[in-house]
Amino acid sequence: GAGVSQSPRYKVAKRGQDVALRCDPISGHVSLFWYQQALGQGPEFLTYFQNEAQLDKSGLPSDRFFAERPEGSVSTLKIQRTQQEDSAVYLCASSSVGLRETQYFGPGTRLLVL
Amino acid sequence: KQEVTQIPAALSVPEGENLVLNCSFTDSAIYNLQWFRQDPGKGLTSLLLIQSSQREQTSGRLNASLDKSSGRSTLYIAASQPGDSATYLCAARLLTGNQFYFGTGTSLTVIP
Repeated sequence: GAGVSQSPRYKVAKRGQDVALRCDPISGHVSLFWYQQALGQGPEFLTYFQNEAQLDKSGLPSDRFFAERPEGSVSTLKIQRTQQEDSAVYLCASSSVGLRETQYFGPGTRLLVL
Repeated sequence: KQEVTQIPAALSVPEGENLVLNCSFTDSAIYNLQWFRQDPGKGLTSLLLIQSSQREQTSGRLNASLDKSSGRSTLYIAASQPGDSATYLCAARLLTGNQFYFGTGTSLTVIP
């Protein structure tokens, strides 16, 4: 089956614009994670869903960041009033039931805020 | 907060050499530890996942070890090949919480 897909792959936004990033996890995967990866750094956790429930959003850097997964499959990460410091690669990962399972990552969305 | 460190930051070796990548973490109360590779402009590919009760995992030319008491994990790559060139990341998950804490990675170049 298909792996994790993300769209768009690249996004250029003017400062102050709102953006929406989409993640399609592997079919049947219960857990979904969003990470932010700055240039030359490792990914940093943003938020975690189990089915449609957002169980952990402790990594979201500000209230401009919002994530949802309304039907327990596709997820959207929304960033309002983008700032230059939001420029990064946003990675989505999914895993099957349980924290013992391997996370499978998508290719990421590279966001550049001008 | 878990701090994960990877040394060296970059490594260049001739083809055929065996090599070791190091990962250290500050909080030994981990649930599991995972090694990934990341190719330029791509997402992360899982290599090996070690549960806290395990000491090592092997897959092909790769062997990962885990020593919780010392807060260390190593990734051993045997008979390196140019196709192994990538950035290698380790990530630790704590017993509490849901996230992986990532290191900054080791950039590996295998010279033909």
